[in-house]
Amino acid sequence: GQNIDQPTEMTATEGAIVQINCTYQTSGFNGLFWYQQHAGEAPTFLSYNVLDGLEEKGRFSSFLSRSKGYSYLLLKELQMKDSASYLCAVIRGATNKLIFGTGTLLAVQP
Amino acid sequence: DSGVTQTPKHLITATGQRVTLRCSPRSGDLSVYWYQQSLDQGLQFLIQYYNGEERAKGNILERFSAQQFPDLHSELNLSSLELGDSALYFCASSGGTSVTNEQFFGPGTRLTVL
Repeated sequence: GQNIDQPTEMTATEGAIVQINCTYQTSGFNGLFWYQQHAGEAPTFLSYNVLDGLEEKGRFSSFLSRSKGYSYLLLKELQMKDSASYLCAVIRGATNKLIFGTGTLLAVQP
Repeated sequence: DSGVTQTPKHLITATGQRVTLRCSPRSGDLSVYWYQQSLDQGLQFLIQYYNGEERAKGNILERFSAQQFPDLHSELNLSSLELGDSALYFCASSGGTSVTNEQFFGPGTRLTVL
């Protein structure tokens, strides 16, 4: 089966750093995505990790540990526009299916 | 703007009815994915088509069906609608067959079943 866990909500301050964690248990693993979704809008791609380690892309970084079934998304220099839901999604084995977590709603406060 | 278009933006209908949601992928993309997003369940993968053929199936109900046409646009048909089918329905497209390719999401169709 598959299970993806993320915190439901987080709050952080403008200019600060926040880490959003995602743990997963899945029968087979073929990569992990992070998507950002503003309320009522479409998800937009942030990152894709398939190998262990840190991928950095501007203010956003994503980390993966396959042995621990764990990933995090790190957002630096937070801006008000970063207030959104952050969705962790796992590719389940060879099924070519993307399984999404329920998302973490991040509120950035002044 | 992802380049993926979906129509209609909003749809209000009654229980027992049938509706069709339409999606046009980004230019050049051959894969189309359909997702359902309800408040309590998050994004749920429904089905994928690649170049007209069904490629992968998720938690799609038997009352739901989809197809991809030769011009690559796709339609999701929802029949015998129930209150619980009220949700945002997203279409996404990508260039290849594999889900490891980045998916570009359309703006969604908000379906309300009364």
